[in-house]
Amino acid sequence: NAGVTQTPKFQVLKTGQSMTLQCAQDMNHNSMYWYRQDPGMGLRLIYYSASEGTTDKGEVPNGYNVSRLNKREFSLRLESAAPSQTSVYFCASIPGQMNTEAFFGQGTRLTVV
Amino acid sequence: EDQVTQSPEALRLQEGESSSLNCSYTVSGLRGLFWYRQDPGKGPEFLFTLYSAGEEKEKERLKATLTKKESFLHITAPKPEDSATYLCAPAYSGGYQKVTFGTGTKLQVIP
Repeated sequence: NAGVTQTPKFQVLKTGQSMTLQCAQDMNHNSMYWYRQDPGMGLRLIYYSASEGTTDKGEVPNGYNVSRLNKREFSLRLESAAPSQTSVYFCASIPGQMNTEAFFGQGTRLTVV
Repeated sequence: EDQVTQSPEALRLQEGESSSLNCSYTVSGLRGLFWYRQDPGKGPEFLFTLYSAGEEKEKERLKATLTKKESFLHITAPKPEDSATYLCAPAYSGGYQKVTFGTGTKLQVIP
């Protein structure tokens, strides 16, 4: 049982380049989330998808787009990367919208130079 | 705006030396509080959910408690494998997108 799988694990981008972070879960969960984690700050929500076919902005959505491709997959796209987007990105999923434990992926460490 | 503060930021303990981590939060609309453990280079891993003041939950050497304004994570006789960053996350009404994560307490247990 893989849980939540993120790819890639590491990435270095040049300013202005684009890329897509992939996330897939095999637990049949309805809701999926993208967070970023920076030193000295808690996990901050970028975007979320409460159910298949819906996406909504979180606390820090600027510079990002998302796609809920199907129930399993939720991708995060950086259209024009900036150094301020250097961070560790985590994808998470929960069974429904109620407050319950989240299952996190291993993270993607992104550096924008 | 929902606020959560964890203290201390870092804690260094000798193996077997018990201590507590604190998580304080704004109260209005609290629906529950999560504790997660995060190892270096990995995603957070769920430990506990607490729903009401007075509630306690235990797992091995960890016990989480909840009052009206704060939560504690008590670590009894810690071992080096308990070294990690511990995150608390109050949950407010409105769904999981309203969960606010603290910055964590980095615990180091020295043999």
